[in-house]
Amino acid sequence: QKEVEQNSGPLSVPEGAIASLNCTYSDRGSQSFFWYRQYSGKSPELIMSIYSNGDKEDGRFTAQLNKASQYVSLLIRDSQPSDSATYLCAVLTGTASKLTFGTGTRLQVTL
Amino acid sequence: EAQVTQNPRYLITVTGKKLTVTCSQNMNHEYMSWYRQDPGLGLRQIYYSMNVEVTDKGDVPEGYKVSRKEKRNFPLILESPSPNQTSLYFCASSFTWRDEQFFGPGTRLTVL
Repeated sequence: QKEVEQNSGPLSVPEGAIASLNCTYSDRGSQSFFWYRQYSGKSPELIMSIYSNGDKEDGRFTAQLNKASQYVSLLIRDSQPSDSATYLCAVLTGTASKLTFGTGTRLQVTL
Repeated sequence: EAQVTQNPRYLITVTGKKLTVTCSQNMNHEYMSWYRQDPGLGLRQIYYSMNVEVTDKGDVPEGYKVSRKEKRNFPLILESPSPNQTSLYFCASSFTWRDEQFFGPGTRLTVL
């Protein structure tokens, strides 16, 4: 089982719709969770961080964390073509004290 | 401007020719790390440094060396590059290992 799993996609949503990106992790001791956005050929850029169960909102982005079910998700409201990118879930694992990345979900926002 | 810089951005080299990729941050971060990114494998950690006194191996350290002589710099050294080290490399830094990491622009390395 991979430490951090994401569906590779592509996830295709129409402009203006809500995009829902999911991530599951295996280490129950994981403490911190991050979502990065990466455009093709560019470096990862931090979008959101979340540390406790529940929802965290920042503009059009909402991160959701459920530690009991070991999943974290990212919702993007009013999706725009500029949101088309690969979204990386990163988990700070408790046992290894390191940041582990999923392989990313490619999001395509269509006109 | 707060940033992580890497040089060179692009490099084509031949097997066995030693090379160094530099990484520098101006945010006074304690933690620095190197990753490689390959299609289908995601970002994998090569080496990391908790501070100038502590450096340790990540998940894929074979064939790489690092040095942390001062807080702001963390060069990645390939003593004898091989074609399987062809990849996109990222340097990242953060205040501590618990904090969000900021990435450099990346170095695309091709080893022929």
